[in-house]
Amino acid sequence: GQQLNQSPQSMFIQEGEDVSMNCTSSSIFNTWLWYKQDPGEGPVLLIALYKAGELTSNGRLTAQFGTTRKDSFLNISASIPSDVGIYFCAGQTDSNYQLIWGAGTKLIIKP
Amino acid sequence: DGGITQSPKYLFRKEGQNVTLSCEQNLNHDAMYWYRQDPGQGLRLIYYSQIVNDFQKGDIAEGYSVSREKKESFPLTVTSAQKNPTAFYLCASSMGFSTQYFGPGTRLTVL
Repeated sequence: GQQLNQSPQSMFIQEGEDVSMNCTSSSIFNTWLWYKQDPGEGPVLLIALYKAGELTSNGRLTAQFGTTRKDSFLNISASIPSDVGIYFCAGQTDSNYQLIWGAGTKLIIKP
Repeated sequence: DGGITQSPKYLFRKEGQNVTLSCEQNLNHDAMYWYRQDPGQGLRLIYYSQIVNDFQKGDIAEGYSVSREKKESFPLTVTSAQKNPTAFYLCASSMGFSTQYFGPGTRLTVL
């Protein structure tokens, strides 16, 4: 099935650093979702975006729905140890139950 | 508490055996989904159901079967026809086309 291009694949950062990741697609989406998955757990929804250009925050997390509707970005400010995990983006078109998933960005914080 | 439950958390089976994974939700969501996740990979859709007594194949339905006899339940059977069943299985639900919420997952290991 179709996948989104999510980058980077992994990130090694120092605690306190800001983090940026993105997803791009050849298709236009009407919804962008960002999830975080801890090891051995199900993904947890972080931010949902429903409108081109939309910028939404959830604590230290900020996500944007790209104006072309083919991309989305997630930023994490001042990273802390509990931010470690895998971040997934997912896109959705209208009237379609199926989400298109990115392969994930693994965030690792260097001690 | 409202949410999605999956049981068991860990499941072991012998080659050639069928096994059924449970997924229950009390969110009153119409749609339910099953995904498979392999180590270091993203999520791949196995089956989804938009309404009771109806379901559709996802990208990797071969070797799997589902039923949707009740709104709150969507069990997945991994049959002996699935050649590589060892994986992490995730169930999700949504209200209509909207955001999907995930259960904690079941890790299936074939011995």
